[in-house]
Formats: sequence, structure tokens, C-alpha cells
Amino acid sequence: GEKVEQHESTLSVREGDSAVINCTYTDTASSYFPWYKQEAGKGLHFVIDIRSNVDRKQSQRLIVLLDKKAKRFSLHITATQPEDSAIYFCAASKPPVNTGNYKYVFGAGTRLKVIA
Amino acid sequence: NSKVIQTPRYLVKGQGQKAKMRCIPEKGHPVVFWYQQNKNNEFKFLINFQNQEVLQQIDMTEKRFSAECPSNSPCSLEIQSSEAGDSALYLCASSQHRGGDTQYFGPGTRLLVL
Repeated sequence: GEKVEQHESTLSVREGDSAVINCTYTDTASSYFPWYKQEAGKGLHFVIDIRSNVDRKQSQRLIVLLDKKAKRFSLHITATQPEDSAIYFCAASKPPVNTGNYKYVFGAGTRLKVIA
Repeated sequence: NSKVIQTPRYLVKGQGQKAKMRCIPEKGHPVVFWYQQNKNNEFKFLINFQNQEVLQQIDMTEKRFSAECPSNSPCSLEIQSSEAGDSALYLCASSQHRGGDTQYFGPGTRLLVL
């Protein structure tokens, strides 16, 4: 089955710098790639996603890049702020056709610390 | 921001006891997912529903876990006989579509089995 590897387990950056978190996946049928933020003691908060029909998406300070050939996607957080500190999870999912497999497969998480 | 509601937020049970948690999906979302997040931040998919129908579930769910999403009532996940290894954060998510779409998560129910 699908495996998602999240390469950075921890990441420390200075406030104002950029942070980059990388994920790779194994199943070429995966077509939807969301990112979530989890703060201590809380659930997952959706931050941004990308679908396989594009290779770049931006929402304010967040940029997601997708390289289908390399089966790699990444989250770029620009102009980081202390409130960006959290654990970030990437995930992969298959399209809504009747594959019988609708779940997300998550990466292991990256603990981002933004140092003021 | 997600509008998925999960209750209770915390649950403490002894081994062998039943543990039940509930989830109200976002309005207009017919698909509900349950995941288990352990202390190592590893996620395990448990089961998902579209309306009242089970779409997919793993073996663990078929044995000690039961879940339902009755019409006009909260969805629920119940562990029939809790084990220490069930201690985890149980996350409910809802979505407009079965797959390949955004899942919105609730705050989770943190289960501690003593």
C-alpha cells in the first residue's frame, strides 16, 4: 500500500526565515496531498493542499510544490512567525473513484520551531 | 476552521471496560473518518462511513471496535474491551467526498486506558 515519508522530523528556523518540509510518496495513483498543522493537545488543522493536476499552489505565506515524477511534495512557509511553531503532517489520498480505498496516509510529522 | 465536534475530549477507562466516543461531522459532509493517533504521532485509519454505510474498515475495527453513523444522531466509535495499547488520540474527520478531498478534523478524544 501507499507509504508517505516525511523527511524532517524536527526543523528550527529563525523568525522571518523560510521553512521547508519535504514528503515523498510511493503510490502513483495518489492525487491529493493535504497538509495539516497540529498544536499541542489539539486536533489537526487543515492548512493547504495540492492536487496532481497542478505543480504549485500558494496561499498567503504557504506554498506547496508537487513533483509527480519524483513523487515528492513540499511545504514552504515563508516569513515564519513564532505562531507557526507546531507539528506539520503531510498526507496522500487517492481520487474519489471506486477504488475502495479512501483514507489518508500520513507522514510521521515535522516539529517546526520558529525561534524569535 | 473545522466545525467537527468530538465528545468527550478526555476519557479514562480501566482495561476491559467499554470506551465510547462521539463525533458530529460538519453540516453537509456525508463522509466520516475515524483515525487513531498514537503517542509517536503515527496515524492508523480505523473506519469510514458515507451517511450510514461503512465504506472501509481495518481488521482491528472489525474485532473489538464498533462504529456507527445513525441518521440524525452523532457518529460513534466504541471499543468493547479496552486494552492499554488503545490509549491514543482518536480523531474524527468529515468530508464532502469519499476520497481525494479535504478532511476536516475535530479536536479528538484522548483515551487513557489504565
